[in-house]
Amino acid sequence: EAQVTQNPRYLITVTGKKLTVTCSQNMNHEYMSWYRQDPGLGLRQIYYSMNVEVTDKGDVPEGYKVSRKEKRNFPLILESPSPNQTSLYFCASSYRVGEKLFFGSGTQLSVL
Amino acid sequence: DQQVKQNSPSLSVQEGRISILNCDYTNSMFDYFLWYKKYPAEGPTFLISISSIKDKNEDGRFTVFLNKSAKHLSLHIVPSQPGDSAVYFCAASVWGANFGNEKLTFGTGTRLTIIP
Repeated sequence: EAQVTQNPRYLITVTGKKLTVTCSQNMNHEYMSWYRQDPGLGLRQIYYSMNVEVTDKGDVPEGYKVSRKEKRNFPLILESPSPNQTSLYFCASSYRVGEKLFFGSGTQLSVL
Repeated sequence: DQQVKQNSPSLSVQEGRISILNCDYTNSMFDYFLWYKKYPAEGPTFLISISSIKDKNEDGRFTVFLNKSAKHLSLHIVPSQPGDSAVYFCAASVWGANFGNEKLTFGTGTRLTIIP
């Protein structure tokens, strides 16, 4: 089944404790992206990747890192999480940029 | 600068009636438009799309209308069903033949509630 898998679904952590949210897609998509959803703000792009080893900042990249060492994986790294990063995060992929995106089920992150 | 706007945060419609969700955009270069549907605790799922060469696209109960001169997009759901209760996001992108596509830009979403 074609899908985007992200883990974990729920995560509670404390300020400053490094964490990684994993994302994997099985559709051989070139383009992958991370979004955060906050009330009244919709889906805001954090980082994106056009292909392996090619990543770039989205609209709200501060406090986040990503890597794209393999085509299928695109982890999101929070080196020193802060409470303002409490949010619902989605990983998404598409064959190419600008085309229909397929989303993961989301990761609800709470930073205390 | 919000290039894609959904000015109604919420909408309530009686079951069986028509639901109309609206979306406005400011970037005249946008030429590919999509609607996504999102249930609680799930990721957004693709619903329907339209390219700028068309002004209407239908898929079952869902129809998307595009008015390029007004830079306005709408999604019609007829008839509305309780399972349609969700948050709906519109999105837009530029498909550039020479310079490549640009990323999808999303609106802020409209929460649709269908009243039984």
